[in-house]
Amino acid sequence: QKEVEQNSGPLSVPEGAIASLNCTYSDRGSQSFFWYRQYSGKSPELIMFIYSNGDKEDGRFTAQLNKASQYVSLLIRDSQPSDSATYLCAVTGWGFGNEKLTFGTGTRLTIIP
Amino acid sequence: DVKVTQSSRYLVKRTGEKVFLECVQDMDHENMFWYRQDPGLGLRLIYFSYDVKMKEKGDIPEGYSVSREKKERFSLILESASTNQTSMYLCASSLIAGFQETQYFGPGTRLLVL
Repeated sequence: QKEVEQNSGPLSVPEGAIASLNCTYSDRGSQSFFWYRQYSGKSPELIMFIYSNGDKEDGRFTAQLNKASQYVSLLIRDSQPSDSATYLCAVTGWGFGNEKLTFGTGTRLTIIP
Repeated sequence: DVKVTQSSRYLVKRTGEKVFLECVQDMDHENMFWYRQDPGLGLRLIYFSYDVKMKEKGDIPEGYSVSREKKERFSLILESASTNQTSMYLCASSLIAGFQETQYFGPGTRLLVL
């Protein structure tokens, strides 16, 4: 059984600062890692995915993956009030039979104006 | 843009009723998924399907069944609704099985079982 752990928060960050969200996973065979954002009462929407060790940047967002430590993080630079949401980490394996995403319970992020 | 739609945003049913939740995607995706989301428990996979008439159990299939007669439509069935099935139900789809395949979510159905 794959497990994905996230600090539930809430995490409060001042506007303009860097928000750092962390996620650990139990299955060493996990291949791909996704970050979803979910606003209250809405469905999750993909922010970005990463599958190679290191950093991946997309605008104000940077995903970081360390497979040796089984750790993935999401950094949000220049945080905006619109970034206030719950952030879900999800992991999956590779190929047929590994289509399932295993989600963490999410971290609630609040950006303070 | 990928569009995943769900038949209802809110549903209220009585214990013992048979409940159908429908999901339709318009992007010819192979895979479709049903999740439920509960506070403190996150998103949990109920069933998924990787092809028409094919289905696989997820982590919490008990009390549910599914049907996929057409590629674009995936139905979740609660054979006899119970109060512990009160939850937010989310449908998702993805193009193919693969490690970079994004799942796209529908708007969700909030089900209350009385």
